Amino acid sequence: GAVVSQHPSWVICKSGTSVKIECRSLDFQATTMFWYRQFPKQSLMLMATSNEGSKATYEQGVEKDKFLINHASLTLSTLTVTSAHPEDSSFYICSARVSEYEQYFGPGTRLTVT
Amino acid sequence: GQNIDQPTEMTATEGAIVQINCTYQTSGFNGLFWYQQHAGEAPTFLSYNVLDGLEEKGRFSSFLSRSKGYSYLLLKELQMKDSASYLCAVLDSNYQLIWGAGTKLIIKP
Repeated sequence: GAVVSQHPSWVICKSGTSVKIECRSLDFQATTMFWYRQFPKQSLMLMATSNEGSKATYEQGVEKDKFLINHASLTLSTLTVTSAHPEDSSFYICSARVSEYEQYFGPGTRLTVT
Repeated sequence: GQNIDQPTEMTATEGAIVQINCTYQTSGFNGLFWYQQHAGEAPTFLSYNVLDGLEEKGRFSSFLSRSKGYSYLLLKELQMKDSASYLCAVLDSNYQLIWGAGTKLIIKP
């Protein structure tokens, strides 16, 4: 099946710094990728939809200036958490859409902000 | 608004059968997914139902009733490795996945 990778798998950063997370589709092209956030014992929360070559569409309540998304190619989308704060500590998961009915998830990135 | 309900937590015994229910109210319906998620890992696909009825895949089966806005995931011959969270998600009219909060399944020996 289709494989999606994320890098890094975990990261610890200091409050006020920025962190970039990469999401790659390894064996297919994805015009659409999704970024999710998951807090402990909660379900996935869609943050934004990333479309190759255009601006990302953010869900209500998600700050686009804080969570910068770039989908520069058909196999790579990046999420940059700017000026990170401890409350941004979470599990960030990307997925790549293969069709309207199919999307494959990356392994996730655990972000801890100290 | 859109809403998906599933039990927060269930407990079952190794070797037994468990049914995890999911009810939904969404704007449009283009299918229902079940995903398995182990702690600290991303969700993995289990099943997709778009027509009414039962889909069987090995030890796992998934049922859908569109008229009732209801689905269940049936797990047979439970193994310890089945301990995980099970997420129900509906693809709405915009082909966006609407997620339930997940059911944590605890398997006891």
